[in-house]
Amino acid sequence: DARVTQTPRHKVTEMGQEVTMRCQPILGHNTVFWYRQTMMQGLELLAYFRNRAPLDDSGMPKDRFSAEMPDATLATLKIQPSEPRDSAVYFCASGPGLAETQYFGPGTRLLVL
Amino acid sequence: SQQGEEDPQALSIQEGENATMNCSYKTSINNLQWYRQNSGRGLVHLILIRSNEREKHSGRLRVTLDTSKKSSSLLITASRAADTASYFCATDASGNNRLAFGKGNQVVVIP
Repeated sequence: DARVTQTPRHKVTEMGQEVTMRCQPILGHNTVFWYRQTMMQGLELLAYFRNRAPLDDSGMPKDRFSAEMPDATLATLKIQPSEPRDSAVYFCASGPGLAETQYFGPGTRLLVL
Repeated sequence: SQQGEEDPQALSIQEGENATMNCSYKTSINNLQWYRQNSGRGLVHLILIRSNEREKHSGRLRVTLDTSKKSSSLLITASRAADTASYFCATDASGNNRLAFGKGNQVVVIP
């Protein structure tokens, strides 16, 4: 049963620290998405890739966030430096196409103190 | 905005009743999808309906799509306590190569 995996599942850190979240997409999926979910803003699309190439990262703060796909089995989302307002659940999703079914990971719950 | 908007935003029903929620969107689409999110979990895909389809079934789920009204409905029949979750619709605008998610409906099924 193929699943998207994310690590860590929970992260508590202090303001100013670097945070790296990792995602392993489902093998064979060529699109990967990063979302952020908060009570206030709901589900926000941060960035997405196709065939490891970034297509759009306009949803994330450029000065502190970066997203990469070093290889087809790993996507990373990095925040440096982290701020309390970054506290949220970050989801990775993968799929066979940009507007097709997306398969979500369990999320990384981030708390920045 | 192409983002789908679900209605009602919160729904509370008794176990065994049917739950209906709606999604409206603004521009033409290729497909519309419904997802479920249980508390503390990731979203799970439920059903995809394409713009040339009017109705689709999956188990106790029934989805309809009315492209003339730019709206979709999700019906859960014979609800169970395990159906308690948030339900999101997601649309892709024709020519826009990504999904846009709505804010979600929260459904509570009381045992």
